Amino acid sequence: AQSVTQPDIHITVSEGASLELRCNYSYGATPYLFWYVQSPGQGLQLLLKYFSGDTLVQGIKGFEAEFKRSQSSFNLRKPSVHWSDAAEYFCAVGAQAGTALIFGKGTTLSVSS
Amino acid sequence: SAVISQKPSRDICQRGTSLTIQCQVDSQVTMMFWYRQQPGQSLTLIATANQGSEATYESGFVIDKFPISRPNLTFSTLTVSNMSPEDSSIYLCSGTGAGTEAFFGQGTRLTVV
Repeated sequence: AQSVTQPDIHITVSEGASLELRCNYSYGATPYLFWYVQSPGQGLQLLLKYFSGDTLVQGIKGFEAEFKRSQSSFNLRKPSVHWSDAAEYFCAVGAQAGTALIFGKGTTLSVSS
Repeated sequence: SAVISQKPSRDICQRGTSLTIQCQVDSQVTMMFWYRQQPGQSLTLIATANQGSEATYESGFVIDKFPISRPNLTFSTLTVSNMSPEDSSIYLCSGTGAGTEAFFGQGTRLTVV
């Protein structure tokens, strides 16, 4: 069955520290992978996506993610977290770019000063 | 990417009543989807809104409870019918163009009392 697992429900990071949010997927074909961020009371904003090619993809707000086929992972990283990064982060997978997505349960990021 | 205007942004409704949520996209999109995000949970696909025909529902969701319309390529509605407290959730619409990633409305936070 197709699924997305985000093992960490809640992560707290100090401002200025590095961040890595984990995402593992189970998908029969080559997946299209996405990371979205949801701030309180807001909709979902796309951070970055992977369709093919270079396995390290850059996104907005200084985020990057690395696709590792052998590990079925698509972890999100940021070298230095800002207080404004506190939000809910969702990893998602789709059959192709324009289709419905399967989402992970999300990781809540808190940033401490 | 395109912008989806979703309304209402929030509502408090009496059990047994119905609420219609509207999504207007500022450009034509190929696909539109409706998701539900229950408290503390991830996004679950309710249905794919098909232009000019009946929506395609996911397992566990039925047309009588969640009737959907999509009269053209830029507009869709979701009705939550005969509401109960279990329907309290955030409802989000999503759109995709040909070969593009999904973008989302701001969501409708529904509370049923």
